[in-house]
Amino acid sequence: GAVVSQHPSRVICKSGTSVKIECRSLDFQATTMFWYRQFPKQSLMLMATSNEGSKATYEQGVEKDKFLINHASLTLSTLTVTSAHPEDSSFYICSARDLQGTGNTIYFGEGSWLTVV
Amino acid sequence: KQEVTQIPAALSVPEGENLVLNCSFTDSAIYNLQWFRQDPGKGLTSLLLIQSSQREQTSGRLNASLDKSSGRSTLYIAASQPGDSATYLCAVTYSTGNQFYFGTGTSLTVIP
Repeated sequence: GAVVSQHPSRVICKSGTSVKIECRSLDFQATTMFWYRQFPKQSLMLMATSNEGSKATYEQGVEKDKFLINHASLTLSTLTVTSAHPEDSSFYICSARDLQGTGNTIYFGEGSWLTVV
Repeated sequence: KQEVTQIPAALSVPEGENLVLNCSFTDSAIYNLQWFRQDPGKGLTSLLLIQSSQREQTSGRLNASLDKSSGRSTLYIAASQPGDSATYLCAVTYSTGNQFYFGTGTSLTVIP
């Protein structure tokens, strides 16, 4: 079946640096991908909707200049956390929409744990 | 704003017991509802997907029901096992292929 791969699964970075997380659809084309984050003991919240070839749509309260999203191809979306701070430490997970097959199925990646020290 | 609530937030049961997890959502015009499992430090595993036109779905020891009119879903786990220990999330979507609205999760511990 369709698989969405996220990389890295875990990353530790120093405060003030930037870190990139990749989300790939392995056997289908994804015109739309979604990025979520989950703070400890909280629910997953949508950060932004990534559309291939166009700018991402950010949810209210999410800084677009801090969380850069690039969806340059039909199989890859990247989330870059710029100038990371400890409060950005979280679980980030992507999902991708497969328009083929049975149509409009969404698959989730494995998630990425970011720790900023 | 769509809100998804899960009760209880945490549950501890002895092995072998049957249990029910609850999920409620404020806007009943859902497209589908999905139950996920999340193990500590891991990603999401999809357990059951219920379309808005369905009343329930079953997979092995798991049974999920949906009462769209009342904005509720339940996940029934039969004969619980220690390996079932995880956080269970429910999520709803309001249109085809769109974003999920996640519940707050229920942390389940099954005691051997």
